[in-house]
Amino acid sequence: GDSVTQMEGPVTLSEEAFLTINCTYTATGYPSLFWYVQYPGEGLQLLLKATKADDKGSNKGFEATYRKETTSFHLEKGSVQVSDSAVYFCALSDSGAGSYQLTFGKGTKLSVIP
Amino acid sequence: GAVVSQHPSRVICKSGTSVKIECRSLDFQATTMFWYRQFPKQSLMLMATSNEGSKATYEQGVEKDKFLINHASLTLSTLTVTSAHPEDSSFYICSAAPPDFAGHYEQYFGPGTRLTVT
Repeated sequence: GDSVTQMEGPVTLSEEAFLTINCTYTATGYPSLFWYVQYPGEGLQLLLKATKADDKGSNKGFEATYRKETTSFHLEKGSVQVSDSAVYFCALSDSGAGSYQLTFGKGTKLSVIP
Repeated sequence: GAVVSQHPSRVICKSGTSVKIECRSLDFQATTMFWYRQFPKQSLMLMATSNEGSKATYEQGVEKDKFLINHASLTLSTLTVTSAHPEDSSFYICSAAPPDFAGHYEQYFGPGTRLTVT
């Protein structure tokens, strides 16, 4: 079955540091890949997405590239801010599985300190 | 952008009572809605998938008689936790999915409902 593996947290960084959160996946079809962010006490917000190989999703300074050869979709940001502190979820939607359900990774908690 | 609301945002109920949570897509029609449960410091667990006008599809291990889902219109789905017990206390999140032009569903999430059963 489909699965998403992302690096375990928590991750603590100083403001303006470089961020990488690794995410790899297994899927039976041709998945779309997503990063969602959850701020404390809130639901999930879509951060960025990529629907085919070599696509780069980007938003709010975050980027992730769909790498089919390595089945990865790592999240990066060049300079994090305190306001980026949240839990980040990597997810996939696999049309080849016959449905459009999202499969989530376990989430990575990011804390950015001033 | 697509907005999904949930009501209530927080609810406290007594053990043995039932509580209904509403999920609405405010500016689009959602043919499919999903209900998730999130335990503290854990990922989202899909409970069920509901399609407008048909019965919900429950994930393995989710009691359909306990978690009643109704998707009566293209903008509203409800989750009713029947005979709630303290172990049902959790954060419940819904999402709604309109199909995009490529046929890939993108889910838009509600802000969640914190249920506490005393």
